[in-house]
Amino acid sequence: EVQLVESGGGLVQPGRSLRLSCAASGFTFDDYAMHWVRQAPGKGLEWVSGISWNSGSIGYADSVKGRFTISRDNAKNSLYLQMNSLRAEDTALYYCARDSEGEVAGISYWGQGTLVTVSS
Amino acid sequence: QLVLTQSPSASASLGASVKLTCTLSSGHSSYAIAWHQQQPEKGPRYLMKLNSDGSHSKGDGIPDRFSGSSSGAERYLTISSLQSEDEADYYCQTWGTVVFGGGTKLTVL
Repeated sequence: EVQLVESGGGLVQPGRSLRLSCAASGFTFDDYAMHWVRQAPGKGLEWVSGISWNSGSIGYADSVKGRFTISRDNAKNSLYLQMNSLRAEDTALYYCARDSEGEVAGISYWGQGTLVTVSS
Repeated sequence: QLVLTQSPSASASLGASVKLTCTLSSGHSSYAIAWHQQQPEKGPRYLMKLNSDGSHSKGDGIPDRFSGSSSGAERYLTISSLQSEDEADYYCQTWGTVVFGGGTKLTVL
């Protein structure tokens, strides 16, 4: 069974940093691209960032480009999101998601999310 | 620019069928999409990949009540024999890039 478990969320002040982690199990992690998707309170889904199976291809939404960094450790079956210079508008539930292929194609599995609140 | 357009809301009666629509922006009518379901207070769940020719492949454990079809730039999700647990938000997402539609909130009456 595919499992994606996010951690690292919490309350953080504007301008500060936070690192999210996603522990993957139930599949061969380095066969698949991975993503971070967020959902602000009462809003829809917004793609944040994606990374190919070997980290050779990485993409970011314009709203986070230059502030967020996605990475993965295939030896640890883990995905990360380093979030710097956080803003109030980054407040959201952050989901880890698995692609259906090794390069970015489409999301086929989701985690349960970790909440990030940016507030003073 | 690739944009997916969904109606904000839809409703149908228990036991009936409903057809939700996702419209691809001009010039992108050949794109495949995915449909995702998000029940209240839960994470999203992948339903299916839907190709431009209407062929589709469903995710693990998705009931036969859920089906997809296509016509031009329109991508459809049909849910038959509606059950209370089908009340949820439904999102479409482009395949090959990851762009989401705004979602449709389905109410089961």
